[in-house]
Amino acid sequence: QVLLVESGGGLVKPGGSLRLSCAAAGFTFSDYYMSWIRQAPGKGLEWVSYISASASTKYYADSVKGRFTISRDNVKKSLFLQMNSLRAEDTAVYYCARDLVGGTFDYWGQGTLVTVSS
Amino acid sequence: QSALTQPASVSGSPGQSITISCAGTSSDVGAHNYVSWYQQHPGKAPKLMIYDVSKRPSGVSNRVSGSKSGNRASLTISGLQAEDEADYYCCSYAGTSTYVFGTGTKVTVL
Repeated sequence: QVLLVESGGGLVKPGGSLRLSCAAAGFTFSDYYMSWIRQAPGKGLEWVSYISASASTKYYADSVKGRFTISRDNVKKSLFLQMNSLRAEDTAVYYCARDLVGGTFDYWGQGTLVTVSS
Repeated sequence: QSALTQPASVSGSPGQSITISCAGTSSDVGAHNYVSWYQQHPGKAPKLMIYDVSKRPSGVSNRVSGSKSGNRASLTISGLQAEDEADYYCCSYAGTSTYVFGTGTKVTVL
C-alpha cells in the first residue's frame, strides 16, 4: 500500500535552517507530482510547494518563496524540503502528499513537527 | 492568495444531512473543476473525500457528495454518523500552479 513517512522536524531558532525528508513506498514514485502542505498548531491547512515528477517544475506559496526549496530523488524515492531563514510563523506540522492533477492530494504522510522558537 | 471561506462549524443529529460551503473567487473555485475536500480527525493526517468537485475516491462512503455553482463549492454528508465528526477542508487550484485551502469547518454530531 502507499506509504509516506516524513522526518527531519524539530526545534530550530529563528533564522535557522532545517531539511525535511519524506520517504515513499508502495507506488511508482517517479510517476507522481508531490507536495508539501503544512498546518500551524490549531490552524488550517496551507499548501507550501509542489514538484513535478521529473523535478523540472517547482512552485511555492508566496509565504515561503525564496526561503524554501523543494527537491526529490526518484532513485531513493524521497522528497525533500530545505527550509532556510525560518520564522516563528513557519511553526507547523509539515505533511508530504502525493499530488494528482489540480491539487488532489490522495495520500498523506503522518506529518513532522517543525517548531521555530528562541 | 487568500484562503477559501468556509463556515467555522456545522452540526447535525445522527441520520440528518449537512452541507459545508466553500466560497472562493472567479480565479480559483469558479475558474476550474479542481475542487477537493479533506476530512481530518484530531491528531491525524487529512483524508481525501472528494476530488474534481464531485468524484469520490475508492473507499469513501457514498453518503458523501460534492457540487459546485459559480464561485462556491459544497460538500454534503447525508445520514450523519458519529464517525463523521471531524474537521473538513476544501481545496482549489488557484491558477499559476498554486493551490489554496479553505479555512476549515468543524463538524459536530449532536
